[in-house]
Amino acid sequence: GAGVSQTPSNKVTEKGKYVELRCDPISGHTALYWYRQSLGQGPEFLIYFQGTGAADDSGLPNDRFFAVRPEGSVSTLKIQRTERGDSAVYLCASSFQGGSYNEQFFGPGTRLTVL
Amino acid sequence: AQSVTQLGSHVSVSEGALVLLRCNYSSSVPPYLFWYVQYPNQGLQLLLKYTTGATLVKGINGFEAEFKKSETSFHLTKPSAHMSDAAEYFCAVSEEDTNAGKSTFGDGTTLTVKP
Repeated sequence: GAGVSQTPSNKVTEKGKYVELRCDPISGHTALYWYRQSLGQGPEFLIYFQGTGAADDSGLPNDRFFAVRPEGSVSTLKIQRTERGDSAVYLCASSFQGGSYNEQFFGPGTRLTVL
Repeated sequence: AQSVTQLGSHVSVSEGALVLLRCNYSSSVPPYLFWYVQYPNQGLQLLLKYTTGATLVKGINGFEAEFKKSETSFHLTKPSAHMSDAAEYFCAVSEEDTNAGKSTFGDGTTLTVKP
């Protein structure tokens, strides 16, 4: 079946602009995660959804970052007033259930470049 | 709090040689441990995981890892490297929590396989 998909694959924007990044999880997966991966580093946790609600948003760096999952499937990560430091690959993952032991399936990521 | 250290950002081996990628973790509670592989322009793929039980874990593509609590290590090995193993490898740790699931990743090790 289809894996996790993310759109767009690449996004170039100017400093100060607003961007939205989309994640389509595997059908039936209730848990969804967003990570950010900067060059030369491992993925860094941003937020975790269980169904429609954000169960853990402790990784969001500041209030310019926001994510939603209104129907418990597709999720959108929203970044306001982008800064050059936001440039990174944003990864989405989903799992059948929440819980640390469940395998997370990752999408290919969205590469965000802020000029 | 939890953290992961991957010793050696780059490892180079000859085809047919032993692969050893090192991972040490820090966790205040019993950990769940994971190894992921990332090929260029692809999402992270789970190689293997340790949750409970047997400390020697076998994964896909001939990889295995051993959980050593006394050494706080979870090193990844493969007896004989193939050219197709060239990729970036990430070690990750989660805390045992059935209601969460965020993982903390190391900064990755790039494996090069020489013919």
